[in-house]
Amino acid sequence: QKEVEQNSGPLSVPEGAIASLNCTYSDRVSQSFFWYRQYSGKSPELIMSIYSNGDKEDGRFTAQLNKASQYVSLLIRDSQPSDSATYLCAVNIPSGNTGKLIFGQGTTLQVKP
Amino acid sequence: DAEITQSPRHKITETGRQVTLACHQTWNHNNMFWYRQDLGHGLRLIHYSYGVQDTNKGEVSDGYSVSRSNTEDLPLTLESAASSQTSVYFCASSAQFSYGYTFGSGTRLTVV
Repeated sequence: QKEVEQNSGPLSVPEGAIASLNCTYSDRVSQSFFWYRQYSGKSPELIMSIYSNGDKEDGRFTAQLNKASQYVSLLIRDSQPSDSATYLCAVNIPSGNTGKLIFGQGTTLQVKP
Repeated sequence: DAEITQSPRHKITETGRQVTLACHQTWNHNNMFWYRQDLGHGLRLIHYSYGVQDTNKGEVSDGYSVSRSNTEDLPLTLESAASSQTSVYFCASSAQFSYGYTFGSGTRLTVV
């Protein structure tokens, strides 16, 4: 089992719809979770971080965390064609006072006008 | 403004040659990381460093090495380049482990 798993997609949604991206992770001690957006040919860009169970909202983006189910999700409301990108889920794997980010393989989102 | 820069942006090299990819950050971050990105595999961790003179192996470290002689730089060396090391390489840094990472713009390496 991979440490961080995502459906590679592509996930296709019409403009204005809600896009729902999901991620599961295997390490129960993880405490920090991140969503990155990566446009084709570009580097990953941090868009959301979440540390506590529940929802965290930032503009059109909502991150959801359920540590009991080891599940993280990202909702994008009112999806725009400019949201078309690959979304990477990342989980911090702690090690004492240190840690490292492990990434899922990413979900490709296509928003159709 | 603080930044993290990688060089070169593109590199073509021959099998068996030693290659070094540069990563330089002006954030004064202690933590630096090297990832490679391949289709179907996402970002995989190669090596990382928590500070000067500290280096650690990631999940795909075979054939790669790093050294950390100062806070700003973490060069990645491919000791004897192989075609399997053709990839896009990203360097990243962070101040705290609970924070997200800032990524460089990447180096596309082709081994022929």
